[in-house]
Amino acid sequence: GAGVSQSPSNKVTEKGKDVELRCDPISGHTALYWYRQSLGQGLEFLIYFQGNSAPDKSGLPSDRFSAERTGGSVSTLTIQRTQQEDSAVYLCASSDRQGQEQFFGPGTRLTVL
Amino acid sequence: QQQVKQSPQSLIVQKGGIPIINCAYENTAFDYFPWYQQFPGKGPALLIAIRPDVSEKKEGRFTISFNKSAKQFSLHIMDSQPGDSATYFCAATPNSGTYKYIFGTGTRLKVLA
Repeated sequence: GAGVSQSPSNKVTEKGKDVELRCDPISGHTALYWYRQSLGQGLEFLIYFQGNSAPDKSGLPSDRFSAERTGGSVSTLTIQRTQQEDSAVYLCASSDRQGQEQFFGPGTRLTVL
Repeated sequence: QQQVKQSPQSLIVQKGGIPIINCAYENTAFDYFPWYQQFPGKGPALLIAIRPDVSEKKEGRFTISFNKSAKQFSLHIMDSQPGDSATYFCAATPNSGTYKYIFGTGTRLKVLA
């Protein structure tokens, strides 16, 4: 079946602009994660959604970052007033409620000029 | 206590060699330890994973060794091939809550032909 998809694959924006990144998880997966991968760094947890439960937002680096998941499927990560330090690859992953294996999408490479 | 320390940062081996990548953790609540392989421009893909009730797990040419008392685990790649050249991430996650991954900083492996 189809894997996790993300769009756009690349996004270049100017400092101060808002951006929206989209994630389509694997069908039937109830858990959805966002991670950030900065150049030369590991993957940093941002936010987690599980079914209808309140999301775990503990990894969001500032209040400029927010995310929502509509209808328990598609998720959108929004970064307001982007800064150059926001430049990174943003990865989305999904998993089955019962499992711990996370399946990753190809990521969105964000460049803030 | 939430960190996962990974070494080395980079590794170069000859074809047929056995690269070894090491990870260490502090949080005893971690109970699932996956290794992910990432090629340039792609999202991470699960390679192999282990739980602390076993000391070793093999899948094809990939082996995880786990030392629960030392809180360390390592990835061995037998008969390495140029196609194994990629970045490898270890991770850890607890057995409850959000199952969010805590990733190591990654090891860039290059296998010379």
